[in-house]
Amino acid sequence: DIQMTQSPSSLSASVGDRVTITCRASQSISSYLNWYQQKPGKAPKLLIYAASSLQSGVPSRFSGSGSGTDFTLTISSLQPEDFATYYCQQSYSTLLTFGQGTRLEIK
Amino acid sequence: QVQLQESGPGLVKPSQTLSLTCTVSGGSISSGSYYWSWIRQPAGKGLEWIGRIYTSGSTNYNPSLKSRVTISVDTSKNQFSLKLSSVTAADTAVYYCAREEAAGYYYMDVWGKGTTVTVSS
Repeated sequence: DIQMTQSPSSLSASVGDRVTITCRASQSISSYLNWYQQKPGKAPKLLIYAASSLQSGVPSRFSGSGSGTDFTLTISSLQPEDFATYYCQQSYSTLLTFGQGTRLEIK
Repeated sequence: QVQLQESGPGLVKPSQTLSLTCTVSGGSISSGSYYWSWIRQPAGKGLEWIGRIYTSGSTNYNPSLKSRVTISVDTSKNQFSLKLSSVTAADTAVYYCAREEAAGYYYMDVWGKGTTVTVSS
């Protein structure tokens, strides 16, 4: 299995802050890395696919980067609606795996 | 646009088989290059991928569940289904179905709202 490790597990930030979440794969996954946002009681929502491609309709303050084993999700200026849990997910292997999640809370 | 809706019993007894269906609307389950996946999430925990079926009918399963899981597709009803046998309390979770784009890169771009399944006698 390819293990996905996110850091931090939780994060407190303020509206307007720039925030970066990191995801590390246990082996190289090229750019087969996706990011999802999940709000309480809701299904996950795709934000970024193929490590850096912005899903249609997602605000441009979200961006992704990285390849191989190290990836980042950056929110350039936090908005109130961005407080949620974020998951990375690799699709390099036929066994899909998610990171454990990063909970982004209001400071 | 394409929408997904999970359905099935909300309560299953231990040792029985959990059966869920995902109905696809707004598009044909047979068209395009897509996998159709099941993912689950125990309360307060992270996401666990269960398995997927391609439009051709080929499947991939999470090895941790493979001996108990069957995913199938019914193109006539535009549905795909999950069966999980010999359930225990550990299988209590919100179950999501999702469409996974499979042309080049792979990503789950459409999700159902989820359905809660509780395993209890």
